[in-house]
Amino acid sequence: DGGITQSPKYLFRKEGQNVTLSCEQNLNHDAMYWYRQDPGQGLRLIYYSQIVNDFQKGDIAEGYSVSREKKESFPLTVTSAQKNPTAFYLCASSRGALYSPLHFGNGTRLTVT
Amino acid sequence: AQSVTQLGSHVSVSEGALVLLRCNYSSSVPPYLFWYVQYPNQGLQLLLKYTTGATLVKGINGFEAEFKKSETSFHLTKPSAHMSDAAEYFCAADGARGGADGLTFGKGTHLIIQP
Repeated sequence: DGGITQSPKYLFRKEGQNVTLSCEQNLNHDAMYWYRQDPGQGLRLIYYSQIVNDFQKGDIAEGYSVSREKKESFPLTVTSAQKNPTAFYLCASSRGALYSPLHFGNGTRLTVT
Repeated sequence: AQSVTQLGSHVSVSEGALVLLRCNYSSSVPPYLFWYVQYPNQGLQLLLKYTTGATLVKGINGFEAEFKKSETSFHLTKPSAHMSDAAEYFCAADGARGGADGLTFGKGTHLIIQP
């Protein structure tokens, strides 16, 4: 079955370390997205990519970086510059066309201490 | 900029009672609208979407939503709540940007089902 795989499900890091979250999709979708979810805050867009080798900042890109070298993959790096990195991170993909809903992975819960 | 407001961070209903989750959007141009459900420690699953045409949209698990342009609303309803409906629900909008650059989400409503 097609879908989006995020790994790992739980991730623990020490403050000051960079960490990379994996996101892979086999839906043949052009567009991919990273959202951050905090309790009571809904989902906030970090980065998105509409095509390979191109990506755009979302609403809260500071302290994060991404790459899109393959259509299937969109890894997110949480850098030490991110002031409050502990959160639930969700990756999504879509066909990128009008009306296209987002398909979500099961998320990665990052805890930084 | 597009914004989505969900009234009530927590809604509690009895099993078998009507479920009503409220969503209002702010846009001079009617957006495309979505409802998603999230179970604990999981991703979001699409319940239903409104694009154009019929304003009453039916989704999975017995949910439906009605688009009311005059009220800028897209409330989610279900006639009879089940214990399995307990989850977080998110309303989302895709404005004039056209979908490829993501959706704008409300802050979510946690639905509690009382036995």
